Amino acid sequence: KNQVEQSPQSLIILEGKNCTLQCNYTVSPFSNLRWYKQDTGRGPVSLTIMTFSENTKSNGRYTATLDADTKQSSLHITASQLSDSASYICVVSCAGNNRKLIWGLGTSLGVNP
Amino acid sequence: GAVVSQHPSRVICKSGTSVKIECRSLDFQATTMFWYRQFPKQSLMLMATSNEGSKATYEQGVEKDKFLINHASLTLSTLTVTSAHPEDSSFYICSAEQGVGTYGYTFGSGTRLTVV
Repeated sequence: KNQVEQSPQSLIILEGKNCTLQCNYTVSPFSNLRWYKQDTGRGPVSLTIMTFSENTKSNGRYTATLDADTKQSSLHITASQLSDSASYICVVSCAGNNRKLIWGLGTSLGVNP
Repeated sequence: GAVVSQHPSRVICKSGTSVKIECRSLDFQATTMFWYRQFPKQSLMLMATSNEGSKATYEQGVEKDKFLINHASLTLSTLTVTSAHPEDSSFYICSAEQGVGTYGYTFGSGTRLTVV
């Protein structure tokens, strides 16, 4: 069964600190893996997209890694800011005609001053 | 960058009435748009895939007669919740594909529907 699991479910850190969010998936056939940031009451915003051959991608203070062999990904946030408080969702896309997106439940990140 | 505008952002309606939600791609043409709903503390659930000029493809368990989707142009898709009931209260989000094979999906800002 195609699944995406994220950990931790929620996390609170102090402003300025770094954190790493985890994503494990069992999706086949694999096309790409995405990380989205979703603020409360808003639509998701894309942070990174990685295909099978990419093992790291950065977008400002966000760095995503992908290990296609172990089917794991991480999202590292550096020097956190209050505006980083949001839900971070890992999404894996199936290859093939349906290109279905398999959504994780997200990690709720709170950044406190 | 690609922008998807979704309107309204919030709507409150009475039970039994219908509500229309619009999703527009502002600076690109979207042959395919997607409609999701999201309950509190849950992930997005795909409701249907909307293709310009043809009938939408609904996910299993989604009533096509209740959630009417129209994708009449390359920049506009609408979702109409017909005869709304309180259990239809949810957060509805659309997304548009920027181009086949680009992997790019841009999401609207969502619509909070409350049925009273």
